[in-house]
Amino acid sequence: ALTQPASVSGSPGQSVTISCSGITHDVGGYNYVSWYQQHPGKAPRLLLYDVSHRPSGVSHRFSGSKSGATASLTISGLQSEDEADYYCCSYTTSNSLTVFGGGSRLTVL
Amino acid sequence: EVVLVESGGGSVQPDGSLRLSCAASGFIFDDYPMHWVRQTPGQGLEWVSGINWKGDSIGYAESVKGRFIISRDNARNSLFLQMNSLRVDDTAFYFCAKSNGGYGDYGGAFDSWGQGTLVIVST
Repeated sequence: ALTQPASVSGSPGQSVTISCSGITHDVGGYNYVSWYQQHPGKAPRLLLYDVSHRPSGVSHRFSGSKSGATASLTISGLQSEDEADYYCCSYTTSNSLTVFGGGSRLTVL
Repeated sequence: EVVLVESGGGSVQPDGSLRLSCAASGFIFDDYPMHWVRQTPGQGLEWVSGINWKGDSIGYAESVKGRFIISRDNARNSLFLQMNSLRVDDTAFYFCAKSNGGYGDYGGAFDSWGQGTLVIVST
């Protein structure tokens, strides 16, 4: 699995960054990283694909980047509704097509 | 609007079988790869299986290979997951997800998800 911090936090209006660390067989080797937001009891929602592309309807407050084998999701102008779990995901050449991170719980203070 | 509705979950004993279904609407079903992703209650996401638009290119996670079979019926806009030899650690919510077809035969980001169906494997 990709490595994410278990929890992150920030105050309304601030920015937070969630990291997603992999290896050359996944994050480091390909720009097929996606990010998902999941509120309790709900299905995941796609936030970013191909590292930094936003689907229509996703706020510009969500942005993505990658350096080496670490991808990052940055949420700017934190709002209370951003409180949720966030998962990264990457194409991989290991046993499975796709590998997810363990998820990061964002708390808006 | 894309809508994905899973069904077929329930409780089953170890070594039992279940067949999950996913009814799709709101998009041209046979234009896109489809996937199953699962989530153990309170835990993270795990990709289970994917299938290309035609149904002739398929992949499985190592944890389910040889036990689960993915299939699709484009005429009925439906995706299926036949789960055999179920184990306690297969207990999870199973989500049907549409791929944006970003790479490979059936790869890509999961741009739409169903609400999930719960599978419980227990004695």
